[in-house]
Amino acid sequence: SQKIEQNSEALNIQEGKTATLTCNYTNYSPAYLQWYRQDPGRGPVFLLLIRENEKEKRKERLKVTFDTTLKQSLFHITASQPADSATYLCALTGGGSYIPTFGRGTSLIVHP
Amino acid sequence: GAVVSQHPSWVICKSGTSVKIECRSLDFQATTMFWYRQFPKQSLMLMATSNEGSKATYEQGVEKDKFLINHASLTLSTLTVTSAHPEDSSFYICSAPTSFTDTQYFGPGTRLTVL
Repeated sequence: SQKIEQNSEALNIQEGKTATLTCNYTNYSPAYLQWYRQDPGRGPVFLLLIRENEKEKRKERLKVTFDTTLKQSLFHITASQPADSATYLCALTGGGSYIPTFGRGTSLIVHP
Repeated sequence: GAVVSQHPSWVICKSGTSVKIECRSLDFQATTMFWYRQFPKQSLMLMATSNEGSKATYEQGVEKDKFLINHASLTLSTLTVTSAHPEDSSFYICSAPTSFTDTQYFGPGTRLTVL
């Protein structure tokens, strides 16, 4: 069955460092992958989308890579700030469906 | 970006009552909307796909008679939790794709607590 794995343990980093979050998937051929940010008690907010034929996407301090051979996406936040603390979800779309499937999310905590 | 609103943001009700949650696309038309449920520290679980002018499509294991969905206009979908029980307590979130992007725009969510 299709499976999306995100590190369930919280990632704790110091302000100013680069945070790297991982999204692995199995039994899936995604057409594209998305990253969302979710704050407690709020709905997810879209951050970046990367397609299967793209290796890397950037937006300000954010960078996403997509390796369809490794079946993995990495999400980087450079020069992290305490305000970046949130849960980050990856979502895959493909296999003939336009409805994304979400991972459980990884909590990021940036310490001042 | 596109804006999706939900109402109410939180609701507390007694067991056995029904609760209606509204999802509105404020600045775009949404022929399709999605309803998700999220338990603490869990992933978003798709409950159903709401289609304007037709019946909703429910995911396996979701009781369509318990979670009534109505998508009466291009900007409004409603989810009614009928005869709510404590196990229905959860965070309900709607989303809508736009016609010009591949991404979803989510509402802020509704926290339902059934006593």
